[in-house]
Amino acid sequence: KAGVTQTPRYLIKTRGQQVTLSCSPISGHRSVSWYQQTPGQGLQFLFEYFSETQRNKGNFPGRFSGRQFSNSRSEMNVSTLELGDSALYLCASSLDSPATNEKLFFGSGTQLSVL
Amino acid sequence: EDQVTQSPEALRLQEGESSSLNCSYTVSGLRGLFWYRQDPGKGPEFLFTLYSAGEEKEKERLKATLTKKESFLHITAPKPEDSATYLCAVQARQAGTALIFGKGTTLSVSS
Repeated sequence: KAGVTQTPRYLIKTRGQQVTLSCSPISGHRSVSWYQQTPGQGLQFLFEYFSETQRNKGNFPGRFSGRQFSNSRSEMNVSTLELGDSALYLCASSLDSPATNEKLFFGSGTQLSVL
Repeated sequence: EDQVTQSPEALRLQEGESSSLNCSYTVSGLRGLFWYRQDPGKGPEFLFTLYSAGEEKEKERLKATLTKKESFLHITAPKPEDSATYLCAVQARQAGTALIFGKGTTLSVSS
């Protein structure tokens, strides 16, 4: 069974640009969560989607947005990139909503560098 | 404010030298405490979920325990392949689905 797939694996952008990251969850999983990982702050919750609806959102500015499609695939978008947005962006999926305490399956992430 | 603190930040062990990692948490209503392992260049991999004080779970050389204020990950007779960053996270009732992660303990086991 294929795991969580994130594309692209690496990305280099310049300040002011926008970027879209993609995540394909494990087949049959309906919940997708996004996290940002930096050396200084560790993993921080961005948002969670379940059945195409945003169920929860972390404390990030409105430049960070996401969506989920009917096949459970998800994308996140960051507009007007800043240097501080450089991070590893991790996607995680679960069979049902994480509110039921189900374990998350993480992808290998997209490493974003903003120059 | 809900938060998770892990100690030590880094730990070096000799193969076979047992030790424990600490995860202290403050949360307004614990829904669950999670342990993950993260290898370089990869996403976190689930290890355990603990729900209430006094609960224990084991997997191979790892054993996780939970009290009302902290959790321990005990590593018995570690091997070099146990080298990784171990992350602790809590799910708070008021935070909905979000996991609040600690910054992790990086474990290095040498032969």
